[in-house]
Amino acid sequence: TQLLEQSPQFLSIQEGENLTVYCNSSSVFSSLQWYRQEPGEGPVLLVTVVTGGEVKKLKRLTFQFGDARKDSSLHITAAQPGDTGLYLCTSNFGNEKLTFGTGTRLTIIP
Amino acid sequence: DTAVSQTPKYLVTQMGNDKSIKCEQNLGHDTMYWYKQDSKKFLKIMFSYNNKELIINETVPNRFSPKSPDKAHLNLHINSLELGDSAVYFCASSPTAGTYGYTFGSGTRLTVV
Repeated sequence: TQLLEQSPQFLSIQEGENLTVYCNSSSVFSSLQWYRQEPGEGPVLLVTVVTGGEVKKLKRLTFQFGDARKDSSLHITAAQPGDTGLYLCTSNFGNEKLTFGTGTRLTIIP
Repeated sequence: DTAVSQTPKYLVTQMGNDKSIKCEQNLGHDTMYWYKQDSKKFLKIMFSYNNKELIINETVPNRFSPKSPDKAHLNLHINSLELGDSAVYFCASSPTAGTYGYTFGSGTRLTVV
């Protein structure tokens, strides 16, 4: 069974600060997705990364895929209260089943 | 129009009852899923259907039975509800099985008392 470990589990920072959260696996990802889930809602896809070393930017969010495709990071610059939510990394490891990470609960304090 | 819609949003019921959750997607996707999110926010797949055929059936009690009348609908029926069934259940869809980018519904919070 593939396991995706995310760290930190909880993160609470002040508005305007920068932060990085991580996703790691002992298995190689075929591709990796990052989702954000807000309270009372389902997860919403932010990005998909496929190639080792790939970097994608989505406004203040920067996603990096490790060279060996076993880890990924999400960096947020100048965090805002609207960034608050549960961040989940996922992969299907090349099969039909999407496996979710353990999640990082991010709180941005105004 | 909501892409993946689930009903009801909240469901409170007594132990031993039977209940159903409905899901519909208007994205034209071939594959639909049921996920369970526990109190620690961990999302675990339960079932997946591709064009009305069951393709994923994780270790889930037989009390849970999915039904897909057509590829736009995937319902979940639960018999003899137990306290441990309390969770948030999410329906999702994807263009085909194993493709990137699932679209999730907003969830059904089931509370068994």
